[in-house]
Amino acid sequence: DQQVKQNSPSLSVQEGRISILNCDYTNSMFDYFLWYKKYPAEGPTFLISISSIKDKNEDGRFTVFLNKSAKHLSLHIVPSQPGDSAVYFCAASESYAGGTSYGKLTFGQGTILTVHP
Amino acid sequence: GAGVSQSPSNKVTEKGKDVELRCDPISGHTALYWYRQSLGQGLEFLIYFQGNSAPDKSGLPSDRFSAERTGGSVSTLTIQRTQQEDSAVYLCASSLDPQETQYFGPGTRLLVL
Repeated sequence: DQQVKQNSPSLSVQEGRISILNCDYTNSMFDYFLWYKKYPAEGPTFLISISSIKDKNEDGRFTVFLNKSAKHLSLHIVPSQPGDSAVYFCAASESYAGGTSYGKLTFGQGTILTVHP
Repeated sequence: GAGVSQSPSNKVTEKGKDVELRCDPISGHTALYWYRQSLGQGLEFLIYFQGNSAPDKSGLPSDRFSAERTGGSVSTLTIQRTQQEDSAVYLCASSLDPQETQYFGPGTRLLVL
């Protein structure tokens, strides 16, 4: 049962243009969402997050949008740079599960972003 | 400061052998998580530690898998009688507390022949 889905295995964009990565989730208990970036042979690095009480969070070139009714979030990168080429993972968590606060993450399958010079 | 470190970085073993994977979290981080990434898949949760206790072991795929954490710091993931389907990248992450950002190590790439 895939609770977090990234339906696009790959995305290719031109340098300077916008990259839009999409993510869908099914578990309505998720209330915190994150994007991680992963280079080959490295662990994922945190990029940006959003709480379910917001619908947008921006950090420099990166903006995450959350549509709770559609159970959909997206990551926008503007402008895209060749150094952004990596695998991007969407992740979700419940702030409290079973009365316990913890941050177990459920990940999507990842989207390979390639930014061409 | 030092990030999360994992050892070994690569491990090749024969089917049926036991393996131990080590994780050194960021100093002071109370929460520690193990995930694994199989080929072409996303990261799959295995186990969560808060201090030395493991409140959630729900992701461990079978009783061949076990983990412990000592001194609220280093954690070891042990896989007994390894099978080919255990081949994956095993990732460890730590956070200051469960609600904070998780920082990942580089992972251990396990190949079971």
